[in-house]
Amino acid sequence: GAGVSQSPRYKVAKRGQDVALRCDPISGHVSLFWYQQALGQGPEFLTYFQNEAQLDKSGLPSDRFFAERPEGSVSTLKIQRTQQEDSAVYLCASSLQGHTGELFFGEGSRLTVL
Amino acid sequence: EDQVTQSPEALRLQEGESSSLNCSYTVSGLRGLFWYRQDPGKGPEFLFTLYSAGEEKEKERLKATLTKKESFLHITAPKPEDSATYLCAVQPLYSGNTGKLIFGQGTTLQVKP
Repeated sequence: GAGVSQSPRYKVAKRGQDVALRCDPISGHVSLFWYQQALGQGPEFLTYFQNEAQLDKSGLPSDRFFAERPEGSVSTLKIQRTQQEDSAVYLCASSLQGHTGELFFGEGSRLTVL
Repeated sequence: EDQVTQSPEALRLQEGESSSLNCSYTVSGLRGLFWYRQDPGKGPEFLFTLYSAGEEKEKERLKATLTKKESFLHITAPKPEDSATYLCAVQPLYSGNTGKLIFGQGTTLQVKP
């Protein structure tokens, strides 16, 4: 498809497990973002990539969160030793250029930590 | 601290009943203000960008306006298909080229036929 693709759409993890969430952005989009959205809240910024370079990771809540985009296309958000407070929808977005603010979001990966 | 507050949290309208959603913001320099629409189980969908006070943008039944402290999303004669959560976001000047957005908590609109 032509949009941002995320997988898995739903993930249930036991507390302490590691999870990996994948994002396939729109082809040709230089900028890629990860946001976290808790139930009933707006998205909160996690991290930003320009091609393969991670230029801003100020929103990552702890060192258990790690993101990569090794070839400047597909990105993976990894959460180690998951905790209940990590339960949320993780949204990936891409754009032609980072500063436009016009982002194309995927449908998100809903993570539930038991 | 940069902050975006939307009101009301929820709004129920009858079809055809016009209204406005409010987005108040505090930011140390505004690069842009954005409105998004989010349907249940979906990611946000871009609607408008506003850059300076006095600017207006329109799309079908929606019109977005901007002042120095707030933005309004006016919905004229809404239809049931306009039911969604509307998100407001600001992009601070200090975000540089990163495009980082600060979102409000959203207003959930329900339009009844």
